[in-house]
Amino acid sequence: GAVVSQHPSRVICKSGTSVKIECRSLDFQATTMFWYRQFPKQSLMLMATSNEGSKATYEQGVEKDKFLINHASLTLSTLTVTSAHPEDSSFYICSARDPWTSGPTDTQYFGPGTRLTVL
Amino acid sequence: GQQLNQSPQSMFIQEGEDVSMNCTSSSIFNTWLWYKQDPGEGPVLLIALYKAGELTSNGRLTAQFGITRKDSFLNISASIPSDVGIYFCAGSTFGNTPLVFGKGTRLSVIA
Repeated sequence: GAVVSQHPSRVICKSGTSVKIECRSLDFQATTMFWYRQFPKQSLMLMATSNEGSKATYEQGVEKDKFLINHASLTLSTLTVTSAHPEDSSFYICSARDPWTSGPTDTQYFGPGTRLTVL
Repeated sequence: GQQLNQSPQSMFIQEGEDVSMNCTSSSIFNTWLWYKQDPGEGPVLLIALYKAGELTSNGRLTAQFGITRKDSFLNISASIPSDVGIYFCAGSTFGNTPLVFGKGTRLSVIA
């Protein structure tokens, strides 16, 4: 299947700093990427839909000024957690839609996730 | 937001046993996907289903897309220790709409 990478895999930062997480589709071009947040023992919670060349669409309750998303190319989307606080500590996962997958709808492939810890 | 009803929430089984889990929805989906997530990792796609009634296998895994398009099941035959993890179902509709996820089934295999 298609490969999606994330960097970094783990990051520890001080409260008040900003952290950038990269999501790359390695062997396909992704016009749409998705950013999720996952708390321990819970399912994935969609934060936003990232569209190449346009503004991201945020889910209700997700602060767009705090979680900045930039999808500057067909293979890269970035999530920047600005002015991070301890409550932002979580597992952040991106996924990318492969538009060439067989079938009437696209299949999503997930990155390995980024563990963010804010001290 | 919308969420699929996935059951069971957790399972403890003996190695070699078969496993079955399912997802139901109040609305129709055009694609059903099954993912497995290991601790500290992102979900890995196991099986994708695109047509109502479709039955697809991937090794010891078999999944079916319900005829009503509102449900799907995943079976694992002859379980082994490496099957341990959390299994998520997800539904998709046409276009660039996000996936809708189940809450996951946590599988534990006792050797």
